[in-house]
Amino acid sequence: SAVISQKPSRDICQRGTSLTIQCQVDSQVTMMFWYRQQPGQSLTLIATANQGSEATYESGFVIDKFPISRPNLTFSTLTVSNMSPEDSSIYLCSVVPGLAGGNEQFFGPGTRLTVL
Amino acid sequence: GQSLEQPSEVTAVEGAIVQINCTYQTSGFYGLSWYQQHDGGAPTFLSYNALDGLEETGRFSSFLSRSDSYGYLLLQELQMKDSASYFCAVRRLSSGSARQLTFGSGTQLTVLP
Repeated sequence: SAVISQKPSRDICQRGTSLTIQCQVDSQVTMMFWYRQQPGQSLTLIATANQGSEATYESGFVIDKFPISRPNLTFSTLTVSNMSPEDSSIYLCSVVPGLAGGNEQFFGPGTRLTVL
Repeated sequence: GQSLEQPSEVTAVEGAIVQINCTYQTSGFYGLSWYQQHDGGAPTFLSYNALDGLEETGRFSSFLSRSDSYGYLLLQELQMKDSASYFCAVRRLSSGSARQLTFGSGTQLTVLP
């Protein structure tokens, strides 16, 4: 299993500003992902955070808007840049435990972002 | 692209059995997962099927038919605490070795006393 913490748990931001969300895992993992979830909606994959290389973004998400860092096997950050009210959402970090990967994927508690 | 379909809402009474269906269309299919999410909580893993057939874990079972691109989650002996959203999710191969989850829209299960 894996225990995931995220900071901040929630924030209220002004449009045009940026927020960096941190994800810390209690063990080394190869696969780490960032998702977005609107309240009452499904989860949408933003990107795969690759250790030592650039993140892989899904269609509709770009690096300039959502830059991601993955400096090691236990930590990642997601920045939401130049925010607008449409970015208001819950952002979740997710990992597949271990270095070999598996079928069970764990999610962090999420960061609830409100953009005014 | 990928698409998953599941019912938006299901209601059942305590002690009953409920089945939540999921049909999918995707490339690079690797397996089908099910997740439970309570209001305000993070999704938690319930089950995973890579091969055809039924997987049983306590009161929950999950089924997969790869030829029909179809699966279901079966919840038995329903309890009030089972009221939550249930998501099917396709695990697929993408970007080389990365195995990604694509989620369905979710089914809101309400268990009545």
